[in-house]
Amino acid sequence: QKEVEQDPGPLSVPEGAIVSLNCTYSNSAFQYFMWYRQYSRKGPELLMYTYSSGNKEDGRFTAQVDKSSKYISLFIRDSQPSDSATYLCAMSYNDYKLSFGAGTTVTVRA
Amino acid sequence: SAVISQKPSRDICQRGTSLTIQCQVDSQVTMMFWYRQQPGQSLTLIATANQGSEATYESGFVIDKFPISRPNLTFSTLTVSNMSPEDSSIYLCSVVGGSTDTQYFGPGTRLTVL
Repeated sequence: QKEVEQDPGPLSVPEGAIVSLNCTYSNSAFQYFMWYRQYSRKGPELLMYTYSSGNKEDGRFTAQVDKSSKYISLFIRDSQPSDSATYLCAMSYNDYKLSFGAGTTVTVRA
Repeated sequence: SAVISQKPSRDICQRGTSLTIQCQVDSQVTMMFWYRQQPGQSLTLIATANQGSEATYESGFVIDKFPISRPNLTFSTLTVSNMSPEDSSIYLCSVVGGSTDTQYFGPGTRLTVL
């Protein structure tokens, strides 16, 4: 069993829809949770970073962490074609070494 | 956030040769890492590049295959030695440091081994 599980998709939604992405993890020692966005042929770009259970909002993005269920989510409101990318969840202990999910490829149709 | 550059951005190499990838950061950082992203897969940590000492490798990665240097707080190199087609991947460096403890990635080096 992988430490971090993420549905690879692909996920295709119409412009303006809400995109919902999820990851589950098995190791309760994970303390820090991140979402990265990766465009084709580019390095991952940090979107959201959180270390506590609950919701964190930044513009159209909301990150949700439920440590009791070992489950994290990313919601993208009012999705745009420019949001089309691969979204990677990542998590770590306190040593900055990241464990990544497989990534979910999202396409937002104009 | 730190600005990270990698050289080369891509390369095509012959089996049995070696390639050295450079990672340069525009400011001093506390930690640098090297990751591999194989085709269709997610990122896997290769090693932590330690300034002034030997790198710390993750399970499944060894120094003879992936020697790493970090001579100062802004620069690191990863060498992929005695390459085989299975080494075809994107290699990325990442850094932690500056005013936050979040991790930022370079643009990656796309390696194809024939």
